[in-house]
Amino acid sequence: NAGVTQTPKFQVLKTGQSMTLQCAQDMNHNSMYWYRQDPGMGLRLIYYSASEGTTDKGEVPNGYNVSRLNKREFSLRLESAAPSQTSVYFCASRRDSSNQPQHFGDGTRLSIL
Amino acid sequence: GQQLNQSPQSMFIQEGEDVSMNCTSSSIFNTWLWYKQDPGEGPVLLIALYKAGELTSNGRLTAQFGITRKDSFLNISASIPSDVGIYFCAGVLFTGTASKLTFGTGTRLQVTL
Repeated sequence: NAGVTQTPKFQVLKTGQSMTLQCAQDMNHNSMYWYRQDPGMGLRLIYYSASEGTTDKGEVPNGYNVSRLNKREFSLRLESAAPSQTSVYFCASRRDSSNQPQHFGDGTRLSIL
Repeated sequence: GQQLNQSPQSMFIQEGEDVSMNCTSSSIFNTWLWYKQDPGEGPVLLIALYKAGELTSNGRLTAQFGITRKDSFLNISASIPSDVGIYFCAGVLFTGTASKLTFGTGTRLQVTL
């Protein structure tokens, strides 16, 4: 019962370094999502992928890129990390039918010095 | 973008007390979701509400989808120590095959014995 798996769980980067956060789901879901969670601000959508081969910007996409590698995997890339990107990042996935909720991974805690 | 106001921000209650929290929005949603997040983990779905006016229970939890589609509340009856955590509401808008969640800022619940 893996569900949504994120790697790594923790990472520390220096400003300017690049990093790819990995997400995989084993529930055969079509839609996948990347959020960031900051204190007092809830979760904010960075990018999402409605289906394999498509990606769209969310609320806070600047400084990030995504790749929907296949149906299972959706990665988030920081090309040049900035301290403002210090956050906890969550990946989520959802079944196709409109009434199904999103299921979340356990998060990646990213600190940029 | 859309914003959700969630209140209260935090609560200290005694074991056995009932808890109530709510979310209000400036615009309507198709669905309301309530999640709980424990430290170091991702949000876990508690209750999903799909129709205006809907009242749904899950054990000691009861949630309602407001008639105006702009608000929702969550009640927890007879709280126990394992209820500790952060509770998030999320309003959902469907955009084709994907869903976009807007999260509240969370209610931190602490239970004293």
